[in-house]
Amino acid sequence: DQQVKQNSPSLSVQEGRISILNCDYTNSMFDYFLWYKKYPAEGPTFLISISSIKDKNEDGRFTVFLNKSAKHLSLHIVPSQPGDSAVYFCAARGGGFKTIFGAGTRLFVKA
Amino acid sequence: ETGVTQSPTHLIKTRGQQVTLRCSSQSGHNTVSWYQQALGQGPQFIFQYYREEENGRGNFPPRFSGLQFPNYSSELNVNALELDDSALYLCASSANEGGGETQYFGPGTRLLVL
Repeated sequence: DQQVKQNSPSLSVQEGRISILNCDYTNSMFDYFLWYKKYPAEGPTFLISISSIKDKNEDGRFTVFLNKSAKHLSLHIVPSQPGDSAVYFCAARGGGFKTIFGAGTRLFVKA
Repeated sequence: ETGVTQSPTHLIKTRGQQVTLRCSSQSGHNTVSWYQQALGQGPQFIFQYYREEENGRGNFPPRFSGLQFPNYSSELNVNALELDDSALYLCASSANEGGGETQYFGPGTRLLVL
């Protein structure tokens, strides 16, 4: 029972262009969403989050959009840089501490 | 300020054995969560400890157990190892219990069960 789904295992983008990573969820009780970035041999690193009372949160080159009616969120990275190449995890929480992660999307940014 | 550290980095065990993984929380953090990340999947929540007490558990059997110590370091113990226990085990620390606080992950321990 995958409550958080990242349907694209990988994404390849040219340097300087926009990267869009998508995430869908099924549990309407989720009220807080997070994106993590993971490099090889390192643990996931928190990137950006959004509360369910908002539909957009921006932090520098990173913007997360939340569409509650569609149970969909996306992470936009613009402009994409080669150092952004990593695995990106979408995660969600609902009224507590348990964080549910998606399977991840591997982003390749080509120079 | 030191980050989250885990030991060992890699471990090989055989079926039926027991293993203990260790985690040192980030300074000032009183909450630690453990996750299992199988190949090609995202981290799966095992359990969380807050001030030395388990305060939440995911869908893992009782042979997965843990401890949190007064200095907020933590252990994950797995008994009667099975082949499917082969995974990356991550711990994450945070400053408060539950809520929207940020979790800081360690680099993980990669466990291989033969």
